[in-house]
Amino acid sequence: SQQGEEDPQALSIQEGENATMNCSYKTSINNLQWYRQNSGRGLVHLILIRSNEREKHSGRLRVTLDTSKKSSSLLITASRAADTASYFCATDAQGAQKLVFGQGTRLTINP
Amino acid sequence: DTEVTQTPKHLVMGMTNKKSLKCEQHMGHRAMYWYKQKAKKPPELMFVYSYEKLSINESVPSRFSPECPNSSLLNLHLHALQPEDSALYLCASSQDRKSSYEQYFGPGTRLTVT
Repeated sequence: SQQGEEDPQALSIQEGENATMNCSYKTSINNLQWYRQNSGRGLVHLILIRSNEREKHSGRLRVTLDTSKKSSSLLITASRAADTASYFCATDAQGAQKLVFGQGTRLTINP
Repeated sequence: DTEVTQTPKHLVMGMTNKKSLKCEQHMGHRAMYWYKQKAKKPPELMFVYSYEKLSINESVPSRFSPECPNSSLLNLHLHALQPEDSALYLCASSQDRKSSYEQYFGPGTRLTVT
C-alpha cells in the first residue's frame, strides 16, 4: 500500500503556538493534498502541492514536500481553538487516479 | 455553490432492511465518490463514478450498490448489511477524476446497523 503515514497521531498545543504534522508515503506521486476534518463531519480541502513543488503557503498554512524522502509536512502558525480537528494527507500513486488518505493527526488547541 | 449535500444525516437500519443514501452536487463536477470512514480512521475509497459511469469499485461487497442517475446525483443502495458496516459514509465530488483536482466532501451519513 502507498498509504501515507502521519506523525504524530495526536498533538495537543496551546492557542497561539505553531503545530507541525508530518506525512510519509511509499511510492512516487503526482501530488499530495492535505485535508481537515472536524469531529464527525466531512473533510475540507486545505492545500495541494505538486511533486515538482517544494513549498506552498496558504494563509497560516505552510506545506513542504520532499520527494527524495517521500515526506511532507503541514505547519499551522499562530494556532486557534477553531483549528482543533483531524488533519489527513492524501496521496495519489502515479497513474492510479485516486487518493489514498493517511492515518491522520488529531490536533487539539487548548485555550 | 460549492456544497455537496448528503441525506439522511443519520440512519439506523436492521440487517434485513433496504435503504439508500443520497448525495447531490451542483458544481458541474464530473467525478463523484463514496468513502467509508470508521471512527478514528481515515476515509477508505469505495466507488468512483466518472461521467456517470462506474470507474472504480474497490472490491466492495455486493450488499453495497452504487448508482449515478445523472451528473448531479449519486446514490448508495444498502441491503442486508452487517453490524460491522456501521460507519460514516462520505460522498465527495471533483471536477474530474484526475487526482490533481481537490475533492469536495459532503457532511456524511452516520449509519448504524443493528
